Amino acid sequence: LAKTTQPISMDSYEGQEVNITCSHNNIATNDYITWYQQFPSQGPRFIIQGYKTKVTNEVASLFIPADRKSSTLSLPRVSLSDTAVYYCLVGDSGNQFYFGTGTSLTVIP
Amino acid sequence: EAGVTQFPSHSVIEKGQTVTLRCDPISGHDNLYWYRRVMGKEIKFLLHFVKESKQDESGMPNNRFLAERTGGTYSTLKVQPAELEDSGVYFCASSQAPQGPYEQYFGPGTRLTVT
Repeated sequence: LAKTTQPISMDSYEGQEVNITCSHNNIATNDYITWYQQFPSQGPRFIIQGYKTKVTNEVASLFIPADRKSSTLSLPRVSLSDTAVYYCLVGDSGNQFYFGTGTSLTVIP
Repeated sequence: EAGVTQFPSHSVIEKGQTVTLRCDPISGHDNLYWYRRVMGKEIKFLLHFVKESKQDESGMPNNRFLAERTGGTYSTLKVQPAELEDSGVYFCASSQAPQGPYEQYFGPGTRLTVT
């Protein structure tokens, strides 16, 4: 089961782009990389998922280098409502997810 | 489409008592997962159902925990007898059949307090 390492916390001003990098050195060939967002008193919420290169959706982008040993979640122009904990998860379809400590993002006015 | 629901949202019980948590996954989702976060620690996997079968229960802490998924629909997680260290938030998640990439949809969690 691939473990992940992320910064414990980050601060950013409103309107800035935020990049959160995650290390997953022992990622397996079949593993996908998934990012979740969690607000207090709520369950984690899916943000984005990818296998390699770059994936973009309406809320974020995910950059994955060729060796797949890390990934970067990019949040464009964050707002106060983006203050949350962000988890980088690595796993094969059908398997359990490993939740690390996550990154607590605080957006400052 | 209704999301994953969990009941109750909060439960306060005394040490030694029994509590049963319920999870209703999204309709049509064969995969159901239980996770928990105990105070101040990471969210940890407990077990995984595929329909009514336990696919992986490697995360179940001990035999005081019993999970069932009758008929492959809703699931229950029973803690008997509850201990103080069982306090935390229990999350349930569901996903479609494990073919290719997929996401797990999480419920809001059940906050369990054992006093």
